[in-house]
Amino acid sequence: GEDVEQSLFLSVREGDSSVINCTYTDSSSTYLYWYKQEPGAGLQLLTYIFSNMDMKQDQRLTVLLNKKDKHLSLRIADTQTGDSAIYFCAESITGGFKTIFGAGTRLFVKA
Amino acid sequence: SQTIHQWPATLVQPVGSPLSLECTVEGTSNPNLYWYRQAAGRGLQLLFYSVGIGQISSEVPQNLSASRPQDRQFILSSKKLLLSDSGFYLCAGEGRQGRSNYGYTFGSGTRLTVV
Repeated sequence: GEDVEQSLFLSVREGDSSVINCTYTDSSSTYLYWYKQEPGAGLQLLTYIFSNMDMKQDQRLTVLLNKKDKHLSLRIADTQTGDSAIYFCAESITGGFKTIFGAGTRLFVKA
Repeated sequence: SQTIHQWPATLVQPVGSPLSLECTVEGTSNPNLYWYRQAAGRGLQLLFYSVGIGQISSEVPQNLSASRPQDRQFILSSKKLLLSDSGFYLCAGEGRQGRSNYGYTFGSGTRLTVV
């Protein structure tokens, strides 16, 4: 079945890099996404990667995709206190109308 | 670009009362629309999705229902709320261009507390 798993918490110091990991089960995924949710708000799309890509970089964000292991990661360089939020990994299934979300990783950034 | 409007932002309702949450879309025609629920400290649970007017697919059997009376309007309802209906409800939309390729746009959410 379809499932997306993430660790629930990550704590880093300001200025360090953060790496948030995600695994998914459906090999027919076409797009994989990272969303950010700040307290009391909706989700905001951060970045996405097509399944035939290995890496995508967008300013401080780097997404790595290992399709063989069905592993996705989000690296945030020079993490700031404003990056504190919940980060959701998600996959879009080929031919379907649904996007499957992970439970979210809560990132704590210590000053 | 697409904007999703949701209201109210916060709602406190007694058990057994009815519910109506409204979501409207701006900036896109014929979007696929979704209702998600996020329980405290947990991920997103897909409740309903709609690919067009009057077309509703239910993912989780429960005492909630959804309707899409207009292309850009998606309504979540209940006749009688349960305590377990408490949560953060999010409406999301995607444009038809390439479907979900570019991700969803989310509304700001409604925090529902059933007391």
